[in-house]
Amino acid sequence: EPEVTQTPSHQVTQMGQEVILRCVPISNHLYFYWYRQILGQKVEFLVSFYNNEISEKSEIFDDQFSVERPDGSNFTLKIRSTKLEDSAMYFCASKTSGRNEQFFGPGTRLTVL
Amino acid sequence: SQELEQSPQSLIVQEGKNLTINCTSSKTLYGLYWYKQKYGEGLIFLMMLQKGGEEKSHEKITAKLDEKKQQSSLHITASQPSHAGIYLCGAGVPASKLTFGTGTRLQVTL
Repeated sequence: EPEVTQTPSHQVTQMGQEVILRCVPISNHLYFYWYRQILGQKVEFLVSFYNNEISEKSEIFDDQFSVERPDGSNFTLKIRSTKLEDSAMYFCASKTSGRNEQFFGPGTRLTVL
Repeated sequence: SQELEQSPQSLIVQEGKNLTINCTSSKTLYGLYWYKQKYGEGLIFLMMLQKGGEEKSHEKITAKLDEKKQQSSLHITASQPSHAGIYLCGAGVPASKLTFGTGTRLQVTL
């Protein structure tokens, strides 16, 4: 069964460094999302992406964040200058146009030191 | 903004027992999603409800939507250790962001 994949599974970085989290959505899906979950807290929406542009973003998704679909299969989240409070589990999700459910990847655990 | 409150926050049940988890929304529900998360892992989609009064089942898990009460319930019959995890309800209109509840941690004892 097709699934969303994410790499790396765990990323450790120093504060101020740039990180790129990668996602491969399910192949026929057209809607893409990033969410994050700080340890012990709710899953929070960051951004949604459709037709090669951001369709919606949250207050969390400030100028330090960007998303890109560099080719036909990858969907990336870049954090330009990481902060301690960016430490969280980052989930990618995708959705096809014919159905409403979003399918989530296994997540990337980002640790900022 | 929409808030989703889940109850209970945590639950310990003996294997074979039934249980119910509730999710109450502060606003009108246009779509209600149930996901399961194992600690430190991704979210596994269980089912989605859209219409008032709708009820769906998958194996031993049944979810219902009460549109008037802005509430959904998830019922597990004859629980098994494999049901252990964190159950999350999420709400959103199609293609838009999902807002998630606080989660219910379920433990199933032998």
